[in-house]
Amino acid sequence: SAVISQKPSRDICQRGTSLTIQCQVDSQVTMMFWYRQQPGQSLTLIATANQGSEATYESGFVIDKFPISRPNLTFSTLTVSNMSPEDSSIYLCSVEDQGSYGYTFGSGTRLTVV
Amino acid sequence: DAKTTQPTSMDCAEGRAANLPCNHSTISGNEYVYWYRQIHSQGPQYIIHGLKNNETNEMASLIITEDRKSSTLILPHATLRDTAVYYCIVGLKTSYDKVIFGPGTSLSVIP
Repeated sequence: SAVISQKPSRDICQRGTSLTIQCQVDSQVTMMFWYRQQPGQSLTLIATANQGSEATYESGFVIDKFPISRPNLTFSTLTVSNMSPEDSSIYLCSVEDQGSYGYTFGSGTRLTVV
Repeated sequence: DAKTTQPTSMDCAEGRAANLPCNHSTISGNEYVYWYRQIHSQGPQYIIHGLKNNETNEMASLIITEDRKSSTLILPHATLRDTAVYYCIVGLKTSYDKVIFGPGTSLSVIP
């Protein structure tokens, strides 16, 4: 199975600041996916990141708020910009696992905005 | 919107089989049924998937009805560690198909 290293695991940030979350995969993958999980809720897809092209955002998410980089086939970052307390969530990245045909998820970044 | 419906919550006695149902009446012919679970404070974990045949692996069994409109995930001998939220998802077998999560079923395994 693919192994994802996601950093940081948690952070407490001041409102108005930005946080960049990193995901490193131990194998090359075509697509990487970023999710948000608000407290007590299910996962919501933010965007899909394909190497070498602009990320594709889901309804309700915009690039100015959640810029994504995908510089190569093993790495991606998600930035949460100009944070407010409503951005307090767990953010997760995901990739397809070529071995099992399922998707592997990172352990998540627990963000608290104060 | 998610293409599946699941009960909000279920209880299961430790050591007994846990049977988690899922309805996916609008599934198309080339879509698979996937199951994931999320243990508290962890990322979701892939469990099993199937197209139309029943499937079994070391974690669980997946029973898909003949018309493919519903399925059941079976944990044969539930343990306390199986307490988690279980998500039933339908989708294509390709990395280009995004995974859309519904609310899932919160399974509590009771001693």
